[in-house]
Formats: sequence, C-alpha cells, structure tokens
Amino acid sequence: GNSVTQMEGPVTLSEEAFLTINCTYTATGYPSLFWYVQYPGEGLQLLLKATKADDKGSNKGFEATYRKETTSFHLEKGSVQVSDSAVYFCALSGRYTGGFKTIFGAGTRLFVKA
Amino acid sequence: GAVVSQHPSWVICKSGTSVKIECRSLDFQATTMFWYRQFPKQSLMLMATSNEGSKATYEQGVEKDKFLINHASLTLSTLTVTSAHPEDSSFYICSARGRRTGGTGELFFGEGSRLTVL
Repeated sequence: GNSVTQMEGPVTLSEEAFLTINCTYTATGYPSLFWYVQYPGEGLQLLLKATKADDKGSNKGFEATYRKETTSFHLEKGSVQVSDSAVYFCALSGRYTGGFKTIFGAGTRLFVKA
Repeated sequence: GAVVSQHPSWVICKSGTSVKIECRSLDFQATTMFWYRQFPKQSLMLMATSNEGSKATYEQGVEKDKFLINHASLTLSTLTVTSAHPEDSSFYICSARGRRTGGTGELFFGEGSRLTVL
C-alpha cells in the first residue's frame, strides 16, 4: 500500500545550522508530494509541494526535490532560525481506490536553539 | 491562498455531553472535507472524509455514531462528538479541498480544535 516514512525526531539544531529531514514514500502511480508544517498549538499549513518527478518545491528558504528514482522528497534548509521550530510532516496525495487520499508521515519535530 | 477556519479553538466539556466543532472554507467551495485527530506528539489520524451533500466515509476503527459528521453546504462541515468521554480528549483538525484548490492535491487546514473532556 501507499505510505510515507520520515526520519524520527526530535531534531535539535543550533541557529544557522543546515537542516535535512529525510522522507521516502511508497506509492502507485504518480502522487503529488508535500511538506506541511505545524507550529505549536496550530493546525497544519503547506510549506512546499512538488507535483511531478524532478520538480523542486521551495518556500521560506526550505527546498525539497521530487526524486522518483529514489522515491524521496527530503526537506532541506541552509540556515535554520529559532522561528523554524515546529513539527514537519511529509505527505503524498493522489487519487486511489476509494477516492482522493492524502497520506502523512509521522512528523518530525524540530527544535532550533538560539 | 485558500482559508479554512475552525471553531471553537478550545473547548472543555463534562463527560457525557456533546460537542460540535465547525469547519468553514472562507473563500472557496470545499467539495471535500477531511477530519483528523491528533494525539500529543503524534501524526494525524484520518477519521473521515465528507463530500458535500453525501454521507461521510469513516476510516476503520472510527465510530460513526460517536463522531457525527455533516457536510451540508460547500462551505461548512461539522464534527459532533456525542456523549464525550475523557478518552475523546484530543486535538481535532479539519482540512478541505475544492474545485479551485484541488488540482494538485493540496489540502488547506483549519487551526484545530482542542477538546478536553472532564
């Protein structure tokens, strides 16, 4: 079946450090891939997305490239800030048996220290 | 971007009472709305999918008589937790997609509603 696996957290970094959060997926067909971010006490909001192979999604200094050959969509940022502390969810979406489905990874909590 | 609003943000109720949570799409028509439950430090668990004008489709293990979902219009879906018990305490999140927003599968989320049952 379809699934999303992302690295376990928490991830703790110092400000201005480089961030990578790994995400791999298993899916039939050609899903769209997403990173959502959840700040404390809030709902989720879209961070970035990619809809086909080799697409790069980017937003607020974060980037992720849709790699079909490795079925991955790793999230990166060159220099994190304290305000980036949040939980990050990798997700895939597509139309499958039973209708449209979005499948989320378990989430990775990021702490950034000043 | 599309805006989804959820209300109330916080609710505390006594055991045995019912609680209604509203999810509204403010600037688009939400043909499909999703209700999730999130336990502390865990991922989102999809509870049900509701399409406007039809009965909700519940995920396995979710009691449809306990978690009543109504999607009567293209801008409003409600989740009613009936006869709530302390184990129903959780963070409930709705999301929506519509004709205008749904092309790439992106979801728009409400702010979430934290339910505490005493």
